[in-house]
Amino acid sequence: GIQVEQSPPDLILQEGANSTLRCNFSDSVNNLQWFHQNPWGQLINLFYIPSGTKQNGRLSATTVATERYSLLYISSSQTTDSGVYFCAVFSGDYKLSFGAGTTVTVRA
Amino acid sequence: ETGVTQSPTHLIKTRGQQVTLRCSSQSGHNTVSWYQQALGQGPQFIFQYYREEENGRGNFPPRFSGLQFPNYSSELNVNALELDDSALYLCASSRWGSTSYEQYFGPGTRLTVT
Repeated sequence: GIQVEQSPPDLILQEGANSTLRCNFSDSVNNLQWFHQNPWGQLINLFYIPSGTKQNGRLSATTVATERYSLLYISSSQTTDSGVYFCAVFSGDYKLSFGAGTTVTVRA
Repeated sequence: ETGVTQSPTHLIKTRGQQVTLRCSSQSGHNTVSWYQQALGQGPQFIFQYYREEENGRGNFPPRFSGLQFPNYSSELNVNALELDDSALYLCASSRWGSTSYEQYFGPGTRLTVT
């Protein structure tokens, strides 16, 4: 099956800093989603981005499908951005395959 | 628009028992997928239901089974519980047949097996 690798595994930021999270995948995909998992476990949809660039407030994402990677940018980080960020891909076999996640800690 | 809901929120069971978890899909969605998330890991696909039939299955034993009802809600049943079944169980809904494969997740059920 498709392999999804996220880096870095852990990220510690000072409030106000910018950061980039990376997601590499091993095969072509029909769908790529970025999620933020809150402390209670719910996965919050950030982006549905099989290709191209999208922005939502301080967050933006870029997927380069031909090179099999996606990037999530967090600008002017806030303590509420803390949590685990997951990248997940759907390659047509009816399931989302998740990476292991990046744990982000934003310090005040 | 009603989001994905799951019940119960938390559950404690004893090894060997059986458990049923429930999920209501988001309005307008016809497909439900179940995922298991062990502590410190990403979610793992269990199976998906579409038109009340299993539409795909991950690497889980047959004691994990499910149902989908005509209103697109779903149940996950686990028999003969093992300690390793302790995890967060997530349900996701989507609309099969649309141009978007985007999945939306519920808040999860945290199962503890003792």
